[in-house]
Amino acid sequence: ETGVTQTPRHLVMGMTNKKSLKCEQHLGHNAMYWYKQSAKKPLELMFVYNFKEQTENNSVPSRFSPECPNSSHLFLHLHTLQPEDSALYLCASSQERSYGYTFGSGTRLTVV
Amino acid sequence: GQQLNQSPQSMFIQEGEDVSMNCTSSSIFNTWLWYKQDPGEGPVLLIALYKAGELTSNGRLTAQFGITRKDSFLNISASIPSDVGIYFCAGQLTDGGSQGNLIFGKGTKLSVKP
Repeated sequence: ETGVTQTPRHLVMGMTNKKSLKCEQHLGHNAMYWYKQSAKKPLELMFVYNFKEQTENNSVPSRFSPECPNSSHLFLHLHTLQPEDSALYLCASSQERSYGYTFGSGTRLTVV
Repeated sequence: GQQLNQSPQSMFIQEGEDVSMNCTSSSIFNTWLWYKQDPGEGPVLLIALYKAGELTSNGRLTAQFGITRKDSFLNISASIPSDVGIYFCAGQLTDGGSQGNLIFGKGTKLSVKP
């Protein structure tokens, strides 16, 4: 596989559920990102990992919990989400936070 | 915080027409990027610009990095149906060797004229 792969592509979860989103990159990049994309809003940066260390958390609620076990994998653990958290969650990677982030296809999350 | 104003928000194209969209910022950037997003997919990088005044082409796409470093435009010539999608501009500032985050515009949605 090449590029950035995200699973699942679609997820429907109840507000009391716990689920995880997975991202894997096969590009040898060392920075990875989670973005949230909602309708009519710019892409919102959630978390940044550089060499497996979290370097940014953009005031994201604690019901979103990232994990980066190595520079190729990134997870977003979800628990007790709200309906307004429904959105497309995009993972991206880059080489040392330089230009040209490569995005995955996203996970379309619906919270019911 | 930094914001990018991207316009137009949406536009309709007829095959063969030229299309133009732009992005402005209240802050300077030293990298401008243009991405396209198809339905159900993530954004894909189209063009990257690194120097003020730079004009770069990628096939029928041409983008320019504004002289003031606060704006950029993207032109699509002789549009075709597969050009429909959402186009995003993004700016990045490098400060003292440290790469800033990408700041994205809200997107320009291109649709086919009915």
